Amino acid sequence: DVKVTQSSRYLVKRTGEKVFLECVQDMDHENMFWYRQDPGLGLRLIYFSYDVKMKEKGDIPEGYSVSREKKERFSLILESASTNQTSMYLCASSLYGGSGSPYEQYFGPGTRLTVT
Amino acid sequence: KNQVEQSPQSLIILEGKNCTLQCNYTVSPFSNLRWYKQDTGRGPVSLTIMTFSENTKSNGRYTATLDADTKQSSLHITASQLSDSASYICVVSATGAGSYQLTFGKGTKLSVIP
Repeated sequence: DVKVTQSSRYLVKRTGEKVFLECVQDMDHENMFWYRQDPGLGLRLIYFSYDVKMKEKGDIPEGYSVSREKKERFSLILESASTNQTSMYLCASSLYGGSGSPYEQYFGPGTRLTVT
Repeated sequence: KNQVEQSPQSLIILEGKNCTLQCNYTVSPFSNLRWYKQDTGRGPVSLTIMTFSENTKSNGRYTATLDADTKQSSLHITASQLSDSASYICVVSATGAGSYQLTFGKGTKLSVIP
């Protein structure tokens, strides 16, 4: 079974802190993703990576950065946390998809981040 | 703009009853449609993926249908169980976007009560 793990289930940080969210997958997937999920808004893509050291902005990249130094690990960084970044953060991974490929995205359990 | 609309927003049914969740989309050009189940406080888990040529796909008590002409999909749950209480998310992928250009619906929250 594919396993996607996230470093923390719950995290509480103060405004202005630098926050690192870690995600690890064990299936040698090329693609990795970071989403945030807010009530009434659904899942929104922050960043994704299709290879080591490669990244692409998603729909809401402002205030976030990412790092992918190893294939299995994808980190989301909040440079200076703000209260509007309080949310559920979900990591996912998948095989590389060509045109129209229906490759499955496997999600981690999520990190509920609260910024006070 | 690509959009996925789900209805109803929420639904309460009695254990043992059937229900159907709806998904309408305007994603183009269409590649595939996925249904996910998300338990409270957990990540989504895939139920089905359907490509353009598939109009029905089952996973146990879950049956998804796809009408690519009308751009509609439904998820039918048979003989509901308390463990079916969750949010169900419809996700549509556009051709040429690989597996990373997905449009997510906001989900239908299903509550199954005894």
